[in-house]
Amino acid sequence: GESVGLHLPTLSVQEGDNSIINCAYSNSASDYFIWYKQESGKGPQFIIDIRSNMDKRQGQRVTVLLNKTVKHLSLQIAATQPGDSAVYFCAENRFKTIFGAGTRLFVKA
Amino acid sequence: KAGVTQTPRYLIKTRGQQVTLSCSPISGHRSVSWYQQTPGQGLQFLFEYFSETQRNKGNFPGRFSGRQFSNSRSEMNVSTLELGDSALYLCASSLETANTEAFFGQGTRLTVV
Repeated sequence: GESVGLHLPTLSVQEGDNSIINCAYSNSASDYFIWYKQESGKGPQFIIDIRSNMDKRQGQRVTVLLNKTVKHLSLQIAATQPGDSAVYFCAENRFKTIFGAGTRLFVKA
Repeated sequence: KAGVTQTPRYLIKTRGQQVTLSCSPISGHRSVSWYQQTPGQGLQFLFEYFSETQRNKGNFPGRFSGRQFSNSRSEMNVSTLELGDSALYLCASSLETANTEAFFGQGTRLTVV
């Protein structure tokens, strides 16, 4: 079936450190991948996306890496801040968007 | 620029009733997608509408339906509510298709008692 999974349900990092959130996807035909951040009481917020013709894409303090060979996606957050504490979802898209289970990121001050 | 607006924010219904939720996308966005979010199942895709046509559908029973109007506003309806329908229902709008950056509303929290 279709599924996007996350390797770790929770991640705790020290403020200022880099965070890496991983994701495995199952549909090799997916051609668009997105990372979302969801804070308590809010809807998911777009962070960064990448298309299947790319391996890496950088944004402000965030980098997404795509490894199509092993169907793996990762989100790297540089210099993690307390405001980064949230649940992070990866999602894949091929006609419709399938979300992963989510990883909760805790940032320790 | 106003974001995605969902109404109502909170709703309590009784089993067997039906409910209609509303979503106003960002101005100029033509694609509206709906998702159900629960602690147990996570975020699950319900359906996507584009130019008043349902373009894609998730694996939900026929009790879940939706529509989109000419101004791109969308509604979803759930008939014969069950306790398991209690969830946060999220709407997302995109400029053209769901295969582009999507913006989510804050959701409607539905509780079925």
